[in-house]
Amino acid sequence: AQSVTQLGSHVSVSEGALVLLRCNYSSSVPPYLFWYVQYPNQGLQLLLKYTSAATLVKGINGFEAEFKKSETSFHLTKPSAHMSDAAEYFCAVIPYGNNRLAFGKGNQVVVIP
Amino acid sequence: DTGVSQDPRHKITKRGQNVTFRCDPISEHNRLYWYRQTLGQGPEFLTYFQNEAQLEKSRLLSDRFSAERPKGSFSTLEIQRTEQGDSAMYLCASSSTVNTGELFFGEGSRLTVL
Repeated sequence: AQSVTQLGSHVSVSEGALVLLRCNYSSSVPPYLFWYVQYPNQGLQLLLKYTSAATLVKGINGFEAEFKKSETSFHLTKPSAHMSDAAEYFCAVIPYGNNRLAFGKGNQVVVIP
Repeated sequence: DTGVSQDPRHKITKRGQNVTFRCDPISEHNRLYWYRQTLGQGPEFLTYFQNEAQLEKSRLLSDRFSAERPKGSFSTLEIQRTEQGDSAMYLCASSSTVNTGELFFGEGSRLTVL
């Protein structure tokens, strides 16, 4: 089954530093790829999505992700971390021909002042 | 505010009891999903509906679990004879048919089985 892998459950980043969260997918056919964010005591919300229109995808709150087929990756970045970015981030995939999201294990991001 | 509401937000029950969770999706969304999330894991798919039809069920959904979506509006997820392993956050999400993958999640219903 197609899936995504997120390494490192907890990620600490200093305020103002680069945020980089890695996501690799397992698929021979590029799937639809997503990043979702879960702020404390809130439901998951869509951060951005890749649907083959463009390899560099911009999302909300200054986040972006780049699809790299050669590396089967869809890493999430933000140039400068803000305290409000502290949350859990999930990479997710909809395999081609499927109708449901499959999530990775998530990255808990802690922002250090 | 995503517009998806779940009730109750928290449920503590004793092993062997039945519990029911309700989800009210965004009104114009015809797809409704149930996921389960445990500590340190991403959400795991349980089942989904398109209108009132239940189109897919995960192997995770044992015979003790049943979900319904009468009239294609709200949905219920019932767990019979709860076990301690059922303790988790149960998430509901809805979406339109067009924007597959763009799910709107509720805040979840946390189940604790003692």
